[in-house]
Amino acid sequence: KAGVTQTPRYLIKTRGQQVTLSCSPISGHRSVSWYQQTPGQGLQFLFEYFSETQRNKGNFPGRFSGRQFSNSRSEMNVSTLELGDSALYLCASSLPGGLNEQFFGPGTRLTVL
Amino acid sequence: QQQVKQSPQSLIVQKGGISIINCAYENTAFDYFPWYQQFPGKGPALLIAIRPDVSEKKEGRFTISFNKSAKQFSLHIMDSQPGDSATYFCAAPYDMRFGAGTRLTVKP
Repeated sequence: KAGVTQTPRYLIKTRGQQVTLSCSPISGHRSVSWYQQTPGQGLQFLFEYFSETQRNKGNFPGRFSGRQFSNSRSEMNVSTLELGDSALYLCASSLPGGLNEQFFGPGTRLTVL
Repeated sequence: QQQVKQSPQSLIVQKGGISIINCAYENTAFDYFPWYQQFPGKGPALLIAIRPDVSEKKEGRFTISFNKSAKQFSLHIMDSQPGDSATYFCAAPYDMRFGAGTRLTVKP
């Protein structure tokens, strides 16, 4: 079974721009979660999608948004980028239910200049 | 808010030694306690997990122990090896929260 894939792997943007990251979950997994990982803050939960609906949301500003498509693929968008948005963005997929193991992708490294 | 508090932040152990990482949780609704391992350049991967109906689970050199009354669970790595050098996270899946992480370095 193919793992979780994320594209692009690396991205460089400038302040004020917007960015869209993509995640393809493991086949059969319908839950997709997004996390921001920074050295100072660790893994911070952004949001979770299940069956195209946002089921859970972390404490991030509205500049961070996401969506999920009918094939369970997910995208997250960050608008009006700030320097502090530089981070590794990780996507994880799992079978339905918060108690199941999450399978992480390799992440997208976003650098905001 | 932080639902899981992990310690220590970093840990240096000699090869062959025992590494111990602790995690304290607040929400008593948790009923699944996983540890994830992350190597540089990779996403985290599930290492070992326990349900609270058992107090200990062992998989090879890795043992997870659970203390319900203290609301804590711990990861023990026996006979630590340089290849174990990674960042370890405990998690509270119910709230989609992770601990802050412990960077383990095993010196040869």
